[in-house]
Amino acid sequence: QVQLKESGPGLVQPSQTLSLTCSVSGFSLTSYHVGWFRQPPGQGLEWMGIMWAGGKTEYSSVFTSRLSITRDTSKSQVFLEMNSLQTEDTATYYCARFNWVFDYWGQGVMVTVSS
Amino acid sequence: DIQMTQSPPSLSASLGDKVTITCQASQSINKYIAWYQQKPGKAPRLLIRYTSSLESGTPSRFSGSGSGTDYSFSISSVESEDFASYHCLQYVKLPWTFGGGTRLELK
Repeated sequence: QVQLKESGPGLVQPSQTLSLTCSVSGFSLTSYHVGWFRQPPGQGLEWMGIMWAGGKTEYSSVFTSRLSITRDTSKSQVFLEMNSLQTEDTATYYCARFNWVFDYWGQGVMVTVSS
Repeated sequence: DIQMTQSPPSLSASLGDKVTITCQASQSINKYIAWYQQKPGKAPRLLIRYTSSLESGTPSRFSGSGSGTDYSFSISSVESEDFASYHCLQYVKLPWTFGGGTRLELK
């Protein structure tokens, strides 16, 4: 069945770089797109960017300057890297499969930005 | 960017009540709206896509309607498992944007 699972550090220091991995199963990254989202504590959801099945990426203008999404299709993994983290980047980060709409989501990974 | 204004931010209901949540888009989204349920500490679950199309496994007490800029999501008779947060998402145009969410609580 379709599954996505995020992994990464729970704590990142201010000004450092966040690196997250989304490991997928049950579908191919060359057939489906995968997006990244975040949700600050007690707040709403925010789309960050997407890795299209063809290998191109698209980013929200909010994050364009400091966000990079890449993938390793052989390992069925999509990666998120975001630099210059600040305390306001504290959030739960999710990856989700896009199939005309975001239909399957990972469980999320909570990331705290603090010294 | 398309702004999605979701209301109310919170809602109190009793078991068996009918509840309705609305999302208003800042421009027409041609029915490309989805509704998600999210329970504390869990990932969003897709309930409805394209305004009114229920996902497999979504109970029939959930429904969606609307057109143009105005959309609504309803639960015909609230059950205990429905107490959660609900989010609308427009996916007609990048950047995809969500409403602020509605927290459904037990009265």
